[in-house]
Amino acid sequence: QVQLLQSGVEVKKSGASVKVSCKASGYTFSAYGITWVRQAPGEGLEWMGWISAYTGNTHFAEKFEGRVTLTTDMSTSTAYMQLRGLRSDDTAVYYCATEYRSSSRWGPTDWGQGTLVIVSS
Amino acid sequence: QSALTQPASVSGSPGQSITISCTGSSSDVGGSNYVSWYQQQPGKAPKVIISDVSNRPSGVSTRFSGSKSGNTASLTISGLQADDEADYYCSSFSSTNSLVFGGGTTVTVL
Repeated sequence: QVQLLQSGVEVKKSGASVKVSCKASGYTFSAYGITWVRQAPGEGLEWMGWISAYTGNTHFAEKFEGRVTLTTDMSTSTAYMQLRGLRSDDTAVYYCATEYRSSSRWGPTDWGQGTLVIVSS
Repeated sequence: QSALTQPASVSGSPGQSITISCTGSSSDVGGSNYVSWYQQQPGKAPKVIISDVSNRPSGVSTRFSGSKSGNTASLTISGLQADDEADYYCSSFSSTNSLVFGGGTTVTVL
């Protein structure tokens, strides 16, 4: 079955960068994209961007443009999300997801377990 | 403020049906076939229950159904069960080439 396994909790200082990994298994990684979504404590879901695992083409939410880098490594079926210039309001759980059971990348169906990123001053 | 508007909470008794609305605009819900619904239990990742407005991905209970009329999408849960208590989020493709979410609805089983 489809599984997305994310890296563990990160604690960072303001201004630092964080890189979260998302290792995929159970499907053909290169045939689908990876969406990144975050959720601040007690808040709703926020779309950050999407990357095609095969071509590396990316799409970002305007507010993250220039501050987020999405990459994939097809040799290990792993996707990465790097967020730079961390601020306290970047404290959130970060999720990766893939559209394996959907007809399009605009409906991610299978999600990782989430990675908590805590930004302290 | 979320791009899509959902009621903050909806409640129902076991066995009843409830409906959650998700209102957007012609730039997203009204103009998109890519509306999804997610269920999120406390401390867990979201789980898809509806894709492409009304499709249930494999493994999702038939008690969940989705529809759309104009700029409003709806999720109906029939035969409400205790373990349906969760937060529910809608999402839609937006003409700004982005994915937008609703603010979430907490479902309480009385």
